[in-house]
Amino acid sequence: DQQVKQNSPSLSVQEGRISILNCDYTNSMFDYFLWYKKYPAEGPTFLISISSIKDKNEDGRFTVFLNKSAKHLSLHIVPSQPGDSAVYFCAASPYYGQNFVFGPGTRLSVLP
Amino acid sequence: DTAVSQTPKYLVTQMGNDKSIKCEQNLGHDTMYWYKQDSKKFLKIMFSYNNKELIINETVPNRFSPKSPDKAHLNLHINSLELGDSAVYFCASSQESAEAFFGQGTRLTVV
Repeated sequence: DQQVKQNSPSLSVQEGRISILNCDYTNSMFDYFLWYKKYPAEGPTFLISISSIKDKNEDGRFTVFLNKSAKHLSLHIVPSQPGDSAVYFCAASPYYGQNFVFGPGTRLSVLP
Repeated sequence: DTAVSQTPKYLVTQMGNDKSIKCEQNLGHDTMYWYKQDSKKFLKIMFSYNNKELIINETVPNRFSPKSPDKAHLNLHINSLELGDSAVYFCASSQESAEAFFGQGTRLTVV
């Protein structure tokens, strides 16, 4: 039973364009959401977060949008750079800082 | 100057053996975790350990046990290893802010 879904296993985008990574969740108790980026042979690194009291959070080239009624969030990267090529994990938790449930990840390839 | 470090990076062992993976964090965080990334690439939490309180994911077999000698360390012991235990195991830590910092992972292969 996947509580956090990332239905696109992979995504290819041209350098300079926008990358949009999507995440859906089923548990209405989830209140806090994170995006992590993972390079091969490394652990996931935190990218950006959003809590359910907001619908948008922006940090430089990265923006996360949350649609709580649709149980959907997305990560926008603009402009995309080749160094953004990695696997992106969406994670959700009903408690601040506790026991996140991760999606299966989306592999982003940014083509020069 | 790694924030969360785990050793070894690779571990190949035979079925039935007992093995340990070590994790250390130098961030002063109160909570440490073990995650398992399975063959389908899902990251699933196994344990969280905070101020002596251990929260166990009920799906984790009792062959797996975390041991915390102090706040900066949370080691993972696995008894009677099985083929299905092959995976990448990640240690992580967090403080009051929600995001966790992860180690580089330990790829365990049981043959």
